[in-house]
Amino acid sequence: GQQLNQSPQSMFIQEGEDVSMNCTSSSIFNTWLWYKQDPGEGPVLLIALYKAGELTSNGRLTAQFGITRKDSFLNISASIPSDVGIYFCAGQRGTGNQFYFGTGTSLTVIP
Amino acid sequence: DAGVIQSPRHEVTEMGQEVTLRCKPISGHNSLFWYRQTMMRGLELLIYFNNNVPIDDSGMPEDRFSAKMPNASFSTLKIQPSEPRDSAVYFCASSRTGGATQYFGPGTRLLVL
Repeated sequence: GQQLNQSPQSMFIQEGEDVSMNCTSSSIFNTWLWYKQDPGEGPVLLIALYKAGELTSNGRLTAQFGITRKDSFLNISASIPSDVGIYFCAGQRGTGNQFYFGTGTSLTVIP
Repeated sequence: DAGVIQSPRHEVTEMGQEVTLRCKPISGHNSLFWYRQTMMRGLELLIYFNNNVPIDDSGMPEDRFSAKMPNASFSTLKIQPSEPRDSAVYFCASSRTGGATQYFGPGTRLLVL
């Protein structure tokens, strides 16, 4: 199956710090999504990106669709304890419904 | 609006038993997806349906796994017979056909002893 590589695999940061994570693929995608998964819950959509170069914000979160269409990044500014969780990227090729998910970045915020 | 509903939330069973997981997608969504999540393999797509028709089941690991969607508001994922390596969290997600956003259910945590 399609491989999406996320980095870093895990992060331990101090509350208030900014966070940056990215997702890369060997294939071109037309859509990128970023999800957050809290312990014991299903992934929840944070941001959706539909165009190369697109930069979208959702509160303290900012995500960008890479120009090459093979990557995307997610930034979190001024982290807070409730940002703790696992962040997944997902990419979609063409117009099909299937999304391929990244391996996840586990974020720990130390108060 | 109710989100994607999955049942049961937790299932503990013995090897060899049949397991049935259930999902009710969001009303109005025409696409439904079954995923499996493990520490080793992350989130894997097992199968997805468009308008109750299975489109891609290439992710279904073995013949022991089967999925049905008899109508637009209900789907099942069955494992028969179950094995310990099937232990995982199984998620159901739904989306509007052609739409990008998938909404996930809370998952079913399966433990096969």
